[in-house]
Amino acid sequence: QKEVEQNSGPLSVPEGAIASLNCTYSDRGSQSFFWYRQYSGKSPELIMFIYSNGDKEDGRFTAQLNKASQYVSLLIRDSQPSDSATYLCAVNIIISGANSKLTFGKGITLSVRP
Amino acid sequence: GAVVSQHPSRVICKSGTSVKIECRSLDFQATTMFWYRQFPKQSLMLMATSNEGSKATYEQGVEKDKFLINHASLTLSTLTVTSAHPEDSSFYICSAPDGNQPQHFGDGTRLSIL
Repeated sequence: QKEVEQNSGPLSVPEGAIASLNCTYSDRGSQSFFWYRQYSGKSPELIMFIYSNGDKEDGRFTAQLNKASQYVSLLIRDSQPSDSATYLCAVNIIISGANSKLTFGKGITLSVRP
Repeated sequence: GAVVSQHPSRVICKSGTSVKIECRSLDFQATTMFWYRQFPKQSLMLMATSNEGSKATYEQGVEKDKFLINHASLTLSTLTVTSAHPEDSSFYICSAPDGNQPQHFGDGTRLSIL
């Protein structure tokens, strides 16, 4: 079973702090990694994607990928109450040839306290 | 940017009714679309991969006769929940990849079967 695991939550941080969200995956062949944000009752929206080892920064968000250790993380700097949501880690898993599918972690709920 | 439109956003109907959900890619062609289901406080679970011009690929445990998928064109996939029952009540979300770009999600359909 190819799985994506996320830290059990919820995670609560004060406004202005750094929120660190972690994810591990089991399929070493995975090449694409995504973080989605999902507000209650809404569909997921893409926050970051990363394909290469290292860090990728976009505004207050930084995605970190370590393929050797099979983990991907998301850092949110200067957390805002509007960042309060469930964050889903997703990994593109190759099924066969050009066929692949996204496998999602269970998500972690972040709460940013004003 | 690329947009995926999903309709209807909410359905409430009686047990035994069949419900059709549409997923459209608005400014790109999607030979593949994905259908997910999400129960409360759970992650997205892939139900099936919709393939234009060929049969859908269903995930293990998903009844193909219960969840009919038709990928009628390069911009439209439909999911029909046949003879829906209360246990089919869930949040159904479609997505489509635009070439090599990350998947874009529709807004989801909240299905409630009475």
